[in-house]
Amino acid sequence: GEDVEQSLFLSVREGDSSVINCTYTDSSSTYLYWYKQEPGAGLQLLTYIFSNMDMKQDQRLTVLLNKKDKHLSLRIADTQTGDSAIYFCAESIDDKLIFGTGTRLQVFP
Amino acid sequence: DAGVIQSPRHEVTEMGQEVTLRCKPISGHDYLFWYRQTMMRGLELLIYFNNNVPIDDSGMPEDRFSAKMPNASFSTLKIQPSEPRDSAVYFCASSLKGSTDTQYFGPGTRLTVL
Repeated sequence: GEDVEQSLFLSVREGDSSVINCTYTDSSSTYLYWYKQEPGAGLQLLTYIFSNMDMKQDQRLTVLLNKKDKHLSLRIADTQTGDSAIYFCAESIDDKLIFGTGTRLQVFP
Repeated sequence: DAGVIQSPRHEVTEMGQEVTLRCKPISGHDYLFWYRQTMMRGLELLIYFNNNVPIDDSGMPEDRFSAKMPNASFSTLKIQPSEPRDSAVYFCASSLKGSTDTQYFGPGTRLTVL
């Protein structure tokens, strides 16, 4: 089936690194995405990775992809209070995106 | 561009009433998606269109839900009759191409059915 799984909560101290994990199901997904949702808003694309890549870095964000284990992670370096939000991973299947359950990241001072 | 526009932002209605949610995608985008977000079920894809044609409506919960896209700049999601379990945030998103392209989300419509 199409199930993208994430842990529900993550709490980190400001300045530390955050790592959000995701497992997906379809090994043929061409792209894998990370979206961010702030309170009362829609989802915004953070970053994505093409399936033939292992890693992608974009400023404070690092995406790691393990295709063998169908595991995707998002690392946020130097986490700030403004990073507090819900983070969704998503896999592409046909023309659709299948979203995970979302991980609520809470950053405390 | 103003981004994806949804209206209304909030809707409170009574059980049994008809509800119509509206979406204006980003100009030039060929794909339009309707999602529903609840605490229990997360983010669910209801239906999506390509060039105004419904492609996959397998996520539409039941016959009470219908969606149309009469032209490239407008789509509606209608619930008739509405039920309390339809209470959720409904998002519209659009993209230039399919899933290989970024989906841009609207701010959502928070629907409460009493």
